[in-house]
Amino acid sequence: SAVISQKPSRDICQRGTSLTIQCQVDSQVTMMFWYRQQPGQSLTLIATANQGSEATYESGFVIDKFPISRPNLTFSTLTVSNMSPEDSSIYLCSVAPGQQQFFGPGTRLTVL
Amino acid sequence: GENVEQHPSTLSVQEGDSAVIKCTYSDSASNYFPWYKQELGKRPQLIIDIRSNVGEKKDQRIAVTLNKTAKHFSLHITETQPEDSAVYFCAASWGDDKIIFGKGTRLHILP
Repeated sequence: SAVISQKPSRDICQRGTSLTIQCQVDSQVTMMFWYRQQPGQSLTLIATANQGSEATYESGFVIDKFPISRPNLTFSTLTVSNMSPEDSSIYLCSVAPGQQQFFGPGTRLTVL
Repeated sequence: GENVEQHPSTLSVQEGDSAVIKCTYSDSASNYFPWYKQELGKRPQLIIDIRSNVGEKKDQRIAVTLNKTAKHFSLHITETQPEDSAVYFCAASWGDDKIIFGKGTRLHILP
């Protein structure tokens, strides 16, 4: 398994601003994943972050809106840019050592 | 791309009865099928998983079956208890560790 922490755990932001979410893992992993979970919905993969290369984004998500950094094998950040109320959601990072995927505690974002 | 369908969206069962949740997947290359339980306000937790070279796996009251030919897999919970109430997600993955989730089943255990 893996121990994953995220910061912040929650935030309330004004529209038009940006928020950067941090994800820290207790072991080195090749890939880190960022998911969004809107209220009452399933988890939707935003992008996959590999160390040393640009993130791979899923359909419907773009780098300008969700820039990702992956400076080393234990850390990643996701920025939600130019936020609107539709971005209100829980954002979770995850890792998958041995294909079993583990999730961080999530960041609950509310955009006013 | 991969698509995972999950049914039912809501399920209510009497405490002590069994619950079954079913999922289908579209990509025959999928080789790993985990199930997650998410309690209110908490992160999804892996409860059981199965790989494509196995047809069934059991862990105490929880079992998962896989039919590769039909591309469907199911979660079975026996002797349900109040603490089984949660949202359950099935998922499918194929080699690059990217996991696609079903839409979830809200399970209610009735007293």
